[in-house]
Amino acid sequence: DAGVIQSPRHEVTEMGQEVTLRCKPISGHNSLFWYRQTMMRGLELLIYFNNNVPIDDSGMPEDRFSAKMPNASFSTLKIQPSEPRDSAVYFCASSFGQTSTDTQYFGPGTRLTVL
Amino acid sequence: RKEVEQDPGPFNVPEGATVAFNCTYSNSASQSFFWYRQDCRKEPKLLMSVYSSGNEDGRFTAQLNRASQYISLLIRDSKLSDSATYLCVVNVPGTYKYIFGTGTRLKVLA
Repeated sequence: DAGVIQSPRHEVTEMGQEVTLRCKPISGHNSLFWYRQTMMRGLELLIYFNNNVPIDDSGMPEDRFSAKMPNASFSTLKIQPSEPRDSAVYFCASSFGQTSTDTQYFGPGTRLTVL
Repeated sequence: RKEVEQDPGPFNVPEGATVAFNCTYSNSASQSFFWYRQDCRKEPKLLMSVYSSGNEDGRFTAQLNRASQYISLLIRDSKLSDSATYLCVVNVPGTYKYIFGTGTRLKVLA
C-alpha cells in the first residue's frame, strides 16, 4: 500500500519566492498533520486537519504560512514570501483517527532550502 | 522545563551491547507515550507504543514511570542496523497533538 506521499522531495529557492509543498495522505485516513523539523527545534507541529477541516493552526509561524486541504486526498502548505529561516525539512503525516493514541504515519518529507 | 526532554547523545555502543535511553515529560496528565525511530535523512517511524505495564517487542523494551514522569527504551543485543535517532513522543492531554523530543542518537559500532 502507498504511504504518505509528498512532493517535491527537495526544493531550493531564493528568498522572497513562493513555495508550495504537497501531500497526499494514506487513503482512508481522516487526520493530516504538517510538521517542520530543524536541528535546533526538532519536530514542530504546524497545523492539523481533521476531515479536511483545519482544527488547530497555532503552530503556523506567521502569516507567510498557509495550508489548505481541498479534499481528503490532498493538502498543500504554502510559504509566501519565503525567508532563509524557513529552511527545514517539512513532513506531512496522516492518521486514521483523531485521538492522540492513533499512530501517525509520516511522509518522506520535503527538504526546503531558501537562499 | 521542556515538555519532552531527551539526552541528545550520541550513544556509541559496540554490537551486542545493551543500551537504554530515558525521556522525561513535564505534563503529569499525559496518557499516551511512544518511541519513534528516525534514520538519517528519513521520516520518523513508529517503533513502539509505551504501555503502563511496560511492553516488549523482541529486543526492545519500553517502560513508563508515571511517578517520576519518564519513559525508557531498552535495546538488547544491539545491531548495526539499530543505529538511528530515537524520538520520545508524548501526547498533549485533551488534544490530538503529540510533542516530539529532539531525539537521542545511537551509533552501534562493529
